[in-house]
Amino acid sequence: QAVLTQPSSLSASPGASASLTCTLRSGINVGTYRIYWYQQKPGSPPQFLLWYKSDSDKYQGSGVPSRLSGSKDASANAGILLISGLQSEDEADYYCMIWHNSAWVFGGGTKLTVL
Amino acid sequence: QVQLVQSGAEVKKPGASVKVSCKASGYTFTTFDIHWVRQATGQGLEWMGWMNANNGDTGYAQKFQGRVSMTRSTYISTAYMELSSLRSEDTAVYYCVRVVRETGWFDPWGRGTLVTVSS
Repeated sequence: QAVLTQPSSLSASPGASASLTCTLRSGINVGTYRIYWYQQKPGSPPQFLLWYKSDSDKYQGSGVPSRLSGSKDASANAGILLISGLQSEDEADYYCMIWHNSAWVFGGGTKLTVL
Repeated sequence: QVQLVQSGAEVKKPGASVKVSCKASGYTFTTFDIHWVRQATGQGLEWMGWMNANNGDTGYAQKFQGRVSMTRSTYISTAYMELSSLRSEDTAVYYCVRVVRETGWFDPWGRGTLVTVSS
């Protein structure tokens, strides 16, 4: 079982909200991790969006709009990237990442389609 | 502005080695780490390892131990990643990225270097 699992795709309408999940493998407690989020558009390198561990330990990247935010769902053992007021420019691949067992581990990525 | 400029695309035969460079500008090279991440076509991101640009300390993902070497020249603010014993599965875009020490704040990323391994 992968350390981080992301749904491979998600579709949402312009103006709506999208909740991208990053589920940690059973036995790895989401509460103890900072979860980092990256956005990648076709033909470009990834870009840092934000990290979230708790409301007192979070950071938004420079220029990242406030309609993107991080949170956690402890009951699902998952990190969440919430994008509200979806715009066409949000269409991209999104990756989560954590530091686990002395290595940076990426989720498989979610392709977000805005249609 | 902060920029990482990587060397150009490479085509290598199986068993060969490749060395990718990453020239930093717009900041003090030794105050950040450099990490390397690769991405096969249509696939996700895979972290390879890190290097402390100040003292040269390194740490490699277990998968690449013994096959990867990350070095730097502080005189020209350039980091290098060498991968040996190449196989077709190593065909990917290789990114260098500046990282705030002891965080997962990977920013910015280089544009990437395509390495193709083919006989």
